[in-house]
Amino acid sequence: EDKVVQSPLSLVVHEGDTVTLNCSYEVTNFRSLLWYKQEKKAPTFLFMLTSSGIEKKSGRLSSILDKKELFSILNITATQTGDSAIYLCAVEAEAGGGADGLTFGKGTHLIIQP
Amino acid sequence: GAGVSQSPSNKVTEKGKDVELRCDPISGHTALYWYRQSLGQGLEFLIYFQGNSAPDKSGLPSDRFSAERTGGSVSTLTIQRTQQEDSAVYLCASSLDLAGAGFGELFFGEGSRLTVL
Repeated sequence: EDKVVQSPLSLVVHEGDTVTLNCSYEVTNFRSLLWYKQEKKAPTFLFMLTSSGIEKKSGRLSSILDKKELFSILNITATQTGDSAIYLCAVEAEAGGGADGLTFGKGTHLIIQP
Repeated sequence: GAGVSQSPSNKVTEKGKDVELRCDPISGHTALYWYRQSLGQGLEFLIYFQGNSAPDKSGLPSDRFSAERTGGSVSTLTIQRTQQEDSAVYLCASSLDLAGAGFGELFFGEGSRLTVL
């Protein structure tokens, strides 16, 4: 059974701090790993990672995948209160055109205090 | 609008009643997914539609749940004889699934919050 484990489950930091969120996975026929930011109800897409060791970067957010050790990290530097959200990690398996959908972790609830 | 649209946004129903949740995906997106998010849980996959192929129903939790997608566009998720454990936010997403290339970016609707009393 495919599994995605995120840590920590929750994290409280002060504005300006740097945070690292972790995602480890076990999946048959890995295709890609995706990070989402969830505020309120609808997740918004952040990154898709398919190749090991290549960092994806968008502003203060960056992410990297290690396919050998089966994990990914999401880094946020110089955090702001607007970064407060649940960050979801999901893994896609190579299974006949994505028929299994995505397997999501439980998310990391990040709170940035002013 | 240009995004994924879901209705109703909130639904309160009594145990035992049937409910229908609707999803209008982004025009041209061939792949449509239903997920469920319960309190404290990750997103739970329910069902996947891709073009005219038979849907992948492997995530539906019981035979009280069904979904259809008419004309390759709008989808309806039906829950019959609702139970209190069905209370959750039901999220719909669509993507351009290029025939086996994988779906990458999912576009989510705002979700339908279902409360079963």
